Amino acid sequence: SQQGEEDPQALSIQEGENATMNCSYKTSINNLQWYRQNSGRGLVHLILIRSNEREKHSGRLRVTLDTSKKSSSLLITASRAADTASYFCATIAGFKTIFGAGTRLFVKA
Amino acid sequence: EAGVVQSPRYKIIEKKQPVAFWCNPISGHNTLYWYRQNLGQGPELLIRYENEEAVDDSQLPKDRFSAERLKGVDSTLKIQPAELGDSAVYLCASAGRTYQETQYFGPGTRLLVL
Repeated sequence: SQQGEEDPQALSIQEGENATMNCSYKTSINNLQWYRQNSGRGLVHLILIRSNEREKHSGRLRVTLDTSKKSSSLLITASRAADTASYFCATIAGFKTIFGAGTRLFVKA
Repeated sequence: EAGVVQSPRYKIIEKKQPVAFWCNPISGHNTLYWYRQNLGQGPELLIRYENEEAVDDSQLPKDRFSAERLKGVDSTLKIQPAELGDSAVYLCASAGRTYQETQYFGPGTRLLVL
């Protein structure tokens, strides 16, 4: 079973718009990571946020973590066609790494 | 710095045949993971190594899957015999010192079992 559940499953936006995707999980975690996967490629790490952190930024990416609600969100600002990809959250709980099913983002030029 | 290397990139076999995947992690990375990713799904962990020790193989179907990491560097994942349902992408990832760190993924091996 997968602990991380992303929402929405798919998202289509225009270039320049912001994209927000959410991840919910069930148990306490050590940290939560977001990854991107372009079609037919391996996963690329985006951001790691620890359980005692609430927000992190990296370029156009902003990640928030609410441990009381067991949820995280990934915001991509000023999206570009090159951001088209699948985005996965991965929860690290105990010794386990569990990925969700992902959000498929399509950015139209 | 070289990334995680996997081979082959693609493999097509008939059911009941054996198949093996090879992974070379980033130099110095102690932790190595094998994942299976089905179409439209996230990666599912099969096994995690800390150096040469398999510390989490609870999700590895041990009747047909086996893995090894000799000398704590390269790793091989084997399926024997392969079944139709094994068709998937097999991803290898490595991390620096512990399972809590960022994982670096290889490009994966796409397996098709006919």
